[in-house]
Amino acid sequence: DTGVSQNPRHKITKRGQNVTFRCDPISEHNRLYWYRQTLGQGPEFLTYFQNEAQLEKSRLLSDRFSAERPKGSFSTLEIQRTEQGDSAMYLCASSLFSEKLFFGSGTQLSVL
Amino acid sequence: AQKVTQAQTEISVVEKEDVTLDCVYETRDTTYYLFWYKQPPSGELVFLIRRNSFDEQNEISGRYSWNFQKSTSSFNFTITASQVVDSAVYFCALLAGNTPLVFGKGTRLSVIA
Repeated sequence: DTGVSQNPRHKITKRGQNVTFRCDPISEHNRLYWYRQTLGQGPEFLTYFQNEAQLEKSRLLSDRFSAERPKGSFSTLEIQRTEQGDSAMYLCASSLFSEKLFFGSGTQLSVL
Repeated sequence: AQKVTQAQTEISVVEKEDVTLDCVYETRDTTYYLFWYKQPPSGELVFLIRRNSFDEQNEISGRYSWNFQKSTSSFNFTITASQVVDSAVYFCALLAGNTPLVFGKGTRLSVIA
């Protein structure tokens, strides 16, 4: 059990650029979640997958955001045409069905 | 809708003091799960406890204890004899129905030596 791994840890980008984050869940976990956390707030749900199927998306997930989980393994979260308001910590978590969620260390995005 | 309220934004205590972090939740579901997570400065959310709605027994794990009261929709967390390493942001969270885990805004605990 190597835990949930997220890359990169930090990303600085200019407004308007596209960015992609990667999450590798715990291998036997079938569910994978993306959350976003801004300073002083709790994590806010963005989307989740059960195996390769994306089952739910939050209203927070605008059409500039897209997530994939090919083959039900790792997942990517892409943000197109980044805006300053996208600056946040993006957290990935995995679980076996609805058991406890294990979180990665997150990707800190700064949009300049 | 599911909601978690952590009214205490920040708490400071002196080492060895006991401290209680409050959590109040809202849900119409009869089956639900409550969680506490710790987020140290490194940023990773660390799981502390999961409690289901049918188990109102209080739980103790070392210096940590949890008080679940359905009558007041509360799931409070107490750290006994606090230590500097307990300094972190603590989140209470609720899993109910088909909705994903919903977090409170967190309580920042500072333990001063």
